Amino acid sequence: RKEVEQDPGPFNVPEGATVAFNCTYSNSASQSFFWYRQDCRKEPKLLMSVYSSGNEDGRFTAQLNRASQYISLLIRDSKLSDSATYLCVVNRAGSQGNLIFGKGTKLSVKP
Amino acid sequence: DAGITQSPRHKVTETGTPVTLRCHQTENHRYMYWYRQDPGHGLRLIHYSYGVKDTDKGEVSDGYSVSRSKTEDFLLTLESATSSQTSVYFCAISTYRGGHGETQYFGPGTRLLVL
Repeated sequence: RKEVEQDPGPFNVPEGATVAFNCTYSNSASQSFFWYRQDCRKEPKLLMSVYSSGNEDGRFTAQLNRASQYISLLIRDSKLSDSATYLCVVNRAGSQGNLIFGKGTKLSVKP
Repeated sequence: DAGITQSPRHKVTETGTPVTLRCHQTENHRYMYWYRQDPGHGLRLIHYSYGVKDTDKGEVSDGYSVSRSKTEDFLLTLESATSSQTSVYFCAISTYRGGHGETQYFGPGTRLLVL
């Protein structure tokens, strides 16, 4: 299994749709999990951390299943401005501060 | 805004020439990172630093060297640029976020084209 694996997409959805992204990671010792967002030709930006109990930030909900080594991001009521690539990120176990980035899932929200 | 700048933002160079990219941060973060991002590969770690004069290799360090003589500056050098080093280079800093460990914030990137 690759260290961090995501469906590359693209996901093409209409405005207002709900869309879900999934991610799997290989190292069961990883402790920190994040979703980043990257707009075209821009730097990645932290969208949200992912907590064991699941967490929500407005229209965005992140969940973690440690047993299955699976992370998800749900976006409700999609906006045109949500169009971007979403990166699943996991810490490299045993290495201070080092993160492993998935290749990203591209989302395109259409009018 | 994590106060990270990168220079130059764009550079075109020729194969075999040395190139140095600069990352500058204003918030005294201890950890700094250099990544490259290429289609189909995502972000890959080149080198990182955990303090002044303290650096270590990442997963794609061949052909690159780094230096950190001041907390605020982390330099990435391509000793002899090759076309395979054409990429977008991102610098990042790491910051501790309470009970959720370290996370990273990125600079705006440098687009490098090696002809």
